[in-house]
Amino acid sequence: QSVLTQPPSVSGTPGQRVTISCSGSSSNIGSNTVNWYQQLPGAAPKVLIYNNNQRPSGVPDRFSGSKSGTSASLAISGLQSEDEADFYCASWDDSLNVVFGGGTKLTVL
Amino acid sequence: QLQLQESGPGLVKPSETLSLTCTVSGDSVSTTKYYWGWIRQPPGKGLEWIGSIYYRGDTHYSPSLKSRVTISVDTSKNQFSLKVTSVTAADTAIYYCAEVGIYFYYMDVWGKGTSVTVSS
Repeated sequence: QSVLTQPPSVSGTPGQRVTISCSGSSSNIGSNTVNWYQQLPGAAPKVLIYNNNQRPSGVPDRFSGSKSGTSASLAISGLQSEDEADFYCASWDDSLNVVFGGGTKLTVL
Repeated sequence: QLQLQESGPGLVKPSETLSLTCTVSGDSVSTTKYYWGWIRQPPGKGLEWIGSIYYRGDTHYSPSLKSRVTISVDTSKNQFSLKVTSVTAADTAIYYCAEVGIYFYYMDVWGKGTSVTVSS
């Protein structure tokens, strides 16, 4: 049982916009920033969004993040086949550790 | 360019201690810019935070693993390490080391991961 709640799966067609939600509580998302990671099949995770909505250099602007209260979301616009991956949200928790969502599998139809 | 590489036994017996090392290249493990962290992923499951360490020894551990986990830094070898005691099959996972930014606590650089199986 993960501390942060994500949908197990989402899907979309090429060119479409999809969103992935991440729900937490006042001790994590409600009082700390949210980061998002993409894990391609067989690879290590890679940071996609940090500090709620900041993209590291090299991450396409098709990926965007937002946060409101104790929830956050990741939006992917102009969906591409190479976006097919697992996505994880994460946040610092006031219990002094990082908490992850259970992960969302994105399928590009 | 910062790079991380995990190393250690791929097979550990139940009740024994799992020991892994992460070798840092491209920067010093004594830097004040990052924490150093460990994350694991059981087969077919999601990511689990294990803990992190700052160069001066400050540590944060997952509450669920705190009683069995120790993370340490070896500045002479530019490495940091993970020990998990009294392992069971539930500790079977891919173990990743990562650089953790000190401002927004996100894992910016990851190692490729090393697979550890707990079995007799």
